[in-house]
Amino acid sequence: GQQLNQSPQSMFIQEGEDVSMNCTSSSIFNTWLWYKQDPGEGPVLLIALYKAGELTSNGRLTAQFGITRKDSFLNISASIPSDVGIYFCAGPRDSNYQLIWGAGTKLIIKP
Amino acid sequence: KAGVTQTPRYLIKTRGQQVTLSCSPISGHRSVSWYQQTPGQGLQFLFEYFSETQRNKGNFPGRFSGRQFSNSRSEMNVSTLELGDSALYLCASSGGDTQYFGPGTRLTVL
Repeated sequence: GQQLNQSPQSMFIQEGEDVSMNCTSSSIFNTWLWYKQDPGEGPVLLIALYKAGELTSNGRLTAQFGITRKDSFLNISASIPSDVGIYFCAGPRDSNYQLIWGAGTKLIIKP
Repeated sequence: KAGVTQTPRYLIKTRGQQVTLSCSPISGHRSVSWYQQTPGQGLQFLFEYFSETQRNKGNFPGRFSGRQFSNSRSEMNVSTLELGDSALYLCASSGGDTQYFGPGTRLTVL
């Protein structure tokens, strides 16, 4: 069945560093979504991608929809403490509207 | 537009009890999905309702059930609570491919 493989599982970075994470699938997706979850809260949509090759920015965040439609990347530039949290990728399952979710990338900023 | 609201935010129950959680979606959204999230885990899909009908279902036991009302508000019920049911329960509403989440209900089972 469709699955999303998200990597890395966790990242320890210094404040000010750039961050890159990705999501891959063996199946084609027509939409890629990136969410961020703060502890104890619901995930918040960061970026939605709808077209192969699309590159979209939201402030310091940039996400790309891979050309093969089987992957997506999220980059965060010049990380700051409030970037800490779990980042999830998601995409809709074929034809039944249910979202498939990656396992998440936990971002931790070293003091 | 108001966001997704969930009530209550926190709940403490004992084993064997039952619980009902409520979710009000974004106005105009007809789809409501429920997820369970345990500490350090990803989102485990419970079920999705659309126009008062369950459209998708995850792999959870029958103790987990839900319903949706004509105004798209949804409830989920867990009967005969077990310790392992302690989790953050998230509701998400959707008008298309994108889901918008509520703040969650933190359920603790003692």
